[in-house]
Amino acid sequence: GEDVEQSLFLSVREGDSSVINCTYTDSSSTYLYWYKQEPGAGLQLLTYIFSNMDMKQDQRLTVLLNKKDKHLSLRIADTQTGDSAIYFCAVPSGGYNKLIFGAGTRLAVHP
Amino acid sequence: DAGVTQSPTHLIKTRGQQVTLRCSPISGHKSVSWYQQVLGQGPQFIFQYYEKEERGRGNFPDRFSARQFPNYSSELNVNALLLGDSALYLCASSARLVTYEQYFGPGTRLTVT
Repeated sequence: GEDVEQSLFLSVREGDSSVINCTYTDSSSTYLYWYKQEPGAGLQLLTYIFSNMDMKQDQRLTVLLNKKDKHLSLRIADTQTGDSAIYFCAVPSGGYNKLIFGAGTRLAVHP
Repeated sequence: DAGVTQSPTHLIKTRGQQVTLRCSPISGHKSVSWYQQVLGQGPQFIFQYYEKEERGRGNFPDRFSARQFPNYSSELNVNALLLGDSALYLCASSARLVTYEQYFGPGTRLTVT
């Protein structure tokens, strides 16, 4: 079945860029997603990228997709303390509404 | 418009008991999906309901069941609770059966003692 892997922890200084990486196994995925989860909260859809795109930019967020290597990344420019959260990569499986999530990358932003 | 709402926020149950969790989707959304998120892990898909019919089921035992009502709200039932059922249960709503946009509620934190 589909498998999604992420590194578990990332620490950056405020103002620097953050890059969160994700690899997946199912090459038929049409959309790939990034969700954000703040402590004690549900999941917030941050952005998504269609599989025929290499890059998508949305304000401070840049998503890069390498289909050959099945690698997805999320870059956050000018990282702020409010960006501290867990970021999940998610890939649809068996239909768009069934998502397979990675274990999440905890982003810690320090002064 | 209100987002996805879930109730209760927190719940403590004893092993062997039964629990019912509730979800109200965004107005106009006809699909509801349920996910279980164990501490330190990503969410895992349990069910999807669309137009009151089950459209997808994850790898969960028959102790887990769900239903969707005519107003598209949904309930998740878990029988014979185990300690391992302790988790955050998330509900997601979307407008259609197959869509690239799903919106999650805040979740129900279930603790089984």
